[in-house]
Amino acid sequence: EAGVTQFPSHSVIEKGQTVTLRCDPISGHDNLYWYRRVMGKEIKFLLHFVKESKQDESGMPNNRFLAERTGGTYSTLKVQPAELEDSGVYFCASSPWGTDNYGYTFGSGTRLTVV
Amino acid sequence: AQSVTQLGSHVSVSEGALVLLRCNYSSSVPPYLFWYVQYPNQGLQLLLKYTSAATLVKGINGFEAEFKKSETSFHLTKPSAHMSDAAEYFCAVSVGGSQGNLIFGKGTKLSVKP
Repeated sequence: EAGVTQFPSHSVIEKGQTVTLRCDPISGHDNLYWYRRVMGKEIKFLLHFVKESKQDESGMPNNRFLAERTGGTYSTLKVQPAELEDSGVYFCASSPWGTDNYGYTFGSGTRLTVV
Repeated sequence: AQSVTQLGSHVSVSEGALVLLRCNYSSSVPPYLFWYVQYPNQGLQLLLKYTSAATLVKGINGFEAEFKKSETSFHLTKPSAHMSDAAEYFCAVSVGGSQGNLIFGKGTKLSVKP
């Protein structure tokens, strides 16, 4: 089966611009998560979708970040306007819904550089 | 609140030597614990997971980890390092059970010397 796909793999944008990251989860996975790793720091949770609904968005840093998951399939994470501190690697992960699903499948990440 | 501490941001071993990567956790409820590995230019790959079954968990590529409640530890080991094990390793604890989000440690970069 295809894994979790993220694109672009790299993005370099100027401060103040808008960037949209996309994640395609494994087909049939209801859970979709976004994480971010800022240089030199821990990987941190951003938000969790169950199908098209936001289950937990407690990790979203501020209102410049907007995540959507239309139809419960792919998800987008938009940063508008981007700031320097938004640079980092953004990971998406997915997992099936249910009680016996431990551990996600992660994508390869999108490396965002804001200059 | 849950937290994870990985001791040592960099660990270097010789090929064939024991690999020991340390992880301590803090959790107010029985934890679900994970080790992930990130090879250069790749995503995070699940190595192994502890989900309250056997305390000694075996994972892929010869790695294993032992859950020790009394020490709140979940250290990762491999008897004999291989050059291909060079990567960054992350310990994580799940918030809210199997569906919850993960809290990660800062990661440990493993170097393997020939």
